Amino acid sequence: EVQLLESGGGLVQPGGSLRLSCAASGFTFNNYAMSWVRQSPGKGLEWVSGISGGGGNIYNADSAKGRFTISRDNSKNTLYLQMNSLRVEDTAVYYCAKDREWLRVDLDVWGQGTTVTVSS
Amino acid sequence: QSVLTQPPSVSAAPGQKVTISCSGSSSNIGSNSVSWYQQLPGTAPKLLIYENNKRPSGIPDRFSGSKSGTSATLGITGLQTGDEADYYCGTWNSGLGTGVFGGGTKVTVL
Repeated sequence: EVQLLESGGGLVQPGGSLRLSCAASGFTFNNYAMSWVRQSPGKGLEWVSGISGGGGNIYNADSAKGRFTISRDNSKNTLYLQMNSLRVEDTAVYYCAKDREWLRVDLDVWGQGTTVTVSS
Repeated sequence: QSVLTQPPSVSAAPGQKVTISCSGSSSNIGSNSVSWYQQLPGTAPKLLIYENNKRPSGIPDRFSGSKSGTSATLGITGLQTGDEADYYCGTWNSGLGTGVFGGGTKVTVL
């Protein structure tokens, strides 16, 4: 069964850091690009960051540039999102998702999400 | 303010048809394929349509997609109470070098 399982969310103070992880199973991880998508409470979906299958190409939304770093360890079938300088407005459910094709938003497998709350 | 524009809500009676529009620009929909997602309350989004009009395995043919120019449309026929959800369009924005989503449309079955 194809599955994505996020972890690492929690409560953090403004200016703090968190690292989210996404463990993949059931497919050849290094063959596929991966993305992080977030959803603030009561709001819509926001694409955050994407990384190619080999990890050599990365794209970030403006909201993530300079603060968030996407990476992957293909030997561990795991995707990461390092989030620094967190702001209240980063409070959201963060989903990892598998891309059918690179440089598209064809996200065919999603994790259950992990909640990040930024508050003092 | 989302890059892609969707109506906030649509509604229809059971068995009827609804369409959801997604309007963009030449930098996104106009030059890239569109996908559609269904998000039931409290759950993760699910891919309904990819490459403008293709359905993943397991998605019923009541759901259809189309694209013309800088706009795309999701159609749902034979509306069921289980179709009550939020629906999002998504695509790549070549100008920004990012993925983008619409603001979402809530479908209500009357």
